[in-house]
Amino acid sequence: EAQVTQNPRYLITVTGKKLTVTCSQNMNHEYMSWYRQDPGLGLRQIYYSMNVEVTDKGDVPEGYKVSRKEKRNFPLILESPSPNQTSLYFCASSLPGGERNEQFFGPGTRLTVL
Amino acid sequence: RKEVEQDPGPFNVPEGATVAFNCTYSNSASQSFFWYRQDCRKEPKLLMSVYSSGNEDGRFTAQLNRASQYISLLIRDSKLSDSATYLCVVDDFTSGTYKYIFGTGTRLKVLA
Repeated sequence: EAQVTQNPRYLITVTGKKLTVTCSQNMNHEYMSWYRQDPGLGLRQIYYSMNVEVTDKGDVPEGYKVSRKEKRNFPLILESPSPNQTSLYFCASSLPGGERNEQFFGPGTRLTVL
Repeated sequence: RKEVEQDPGPFNVPEGATVAFNCTYSNSASQSFFWYRQDCRKEPKLLMSVYSSGNEDGRFTAQLNRASQYISLLIRDSKLSDSATYLCVVDDFTSGTYKYIFGTGTRLKVLA
């Protein structure tokens, strides 16, 4: 089944404790992206990747890191989480960016930083 | 002005009604336009892409007005199952970036 998976689905952590949210897709998509969704603000793009070893900032990259060492995986790293990073996070993938391609979203990761 | 703006709603309509949503965007260079549907606390899913000439998929019709920089979504014969939040998405492929800008969504409730 074609899908985007994220882990964990739910996470409660404390300020400053490094964490990684994994994202994996099995559709051989070049483009991958991370979004956060907050009430009243909609989905905002954190980082995206056009292909392996090619990543770039979205609109809200502060406090996050990403890597793209393999085509299928695009982990999101919070080196020192803070309460303002409490949010619902979605990973997405699509065929090459820059074209009219549908993004497929993972099920979301609900993160709470205390 | 927000880059992509939508009326948050909620739009409460009876079953069988026709409802229309608009979405305005600020980047005149945008080329890709989409409507996504999001059920409560679930991931967004593509409803339809929006093409310059307008396009239809069953009960759903999407239109693009480049001059006024807005896209619209028309839902005919609303079903209870259409209750969801509808997200307008526009590309930002300027200055060598490949980003997508989402509107905050319009919430639709179809009532029995």
